[in-house]
Amino acid sequence: SQQGEEDPQALSIQEGENATMNCSYKTSINNLQWYRQNSGRGLVHLILIRSNEREKHSGRLRVTLDTSKKSSSLLITASRAADTASYFCATDYTGANNLFFGTGTRLTVIP
Amino acid sequence: DGGITQSPKYLFRKEGQNVTLSCEQNLNHDAMYWYRQDPGQGLRLIYYSQIVNDFQKGDIAEGYSVSREKKESFPLTVTSAQKNPTAFYLCASSTTTGRSYGYTFGSGTRLTVV
Repeated sequence: SQQGEEDPQALSIQEGENATMNCSYKTSINNLQWYRQNSGRGLVHLILIRSNEREKHSGRLRVTLDTSKKSSSLLITASRAADTASYFCATDYTGANNLFFGTGTRLTVIP
Repeated sequence: DGGITQSPKYLFRKEGQNVTLSCEQNLNHDAMYWYRQDPGQGLRLIYYSQIVNDFQKGDIAEGYSVSREKKESFPLTVTSAQKNPTAFYLCASSTTTGRSYGYTFGSGTRLTVV
C-alpha cells in the first residue's frame, strides 16, 4: 500500500504548548498535504507543500518536508482547545491519480 | 456558497440490502472520489472519477459500485456483496489537476448494518 504513516498516533498537550506530528511516505512525490478532521466530520485542507519546498507557514501552522528522508512534519504553535482534532497527511505520488492519506494523529488540547 | 453535499448523514442497512449514498458538488470540479474510514484509521479509496461517464477502482472497490452520469453527482452504492459495510464514508472533489490544490470533502455518511 502507498498509505503513509503518521506518528504519534495520539498526542495530548496543554493549551498554549506546541504540537508536532510527523508523516513518513513511500516514494517520490509531487506534493504533500495536511488535513484536519473534527470528530464525525469531513476533512478540511490545511496546507500544501511542494516537493521542491522545504518549509511553509500558514498562520500558526508550520510544515517542513525532507524528501531525502521521505518525511514531513506539521507544527501547530500556541495550541488552542479548538485545535483538538485528527490530522492527516496526504501524498500526491508521482504518476498516481489520487492522494494517499496517512493513518492520522489524534491531537487533544487540554484547556 | 460552493461546496460538496453528502446525504444522508446517517444510514442503516439491513443484511442483504443495497443502499445508495449521495454526493453532489457545485464547485465545477471534474474529479470526484469516495473514501471509506473505519474507526481510528485512515482513509481508503473506494472509487474515483476524473471525468463524466468514466470511473476507476480504488484499493477497496469490491462490494461497491458507482456512476458518474453528471459532473455534479457521484453516487456510491453499497451492495449486499460488501460483507462489512459499517463505516464512515467520505466523498471528495477536486479540479482535474487539483491534487496540487487539495481536495474538498463532504461531511460524510455514517453507515451501520442492523
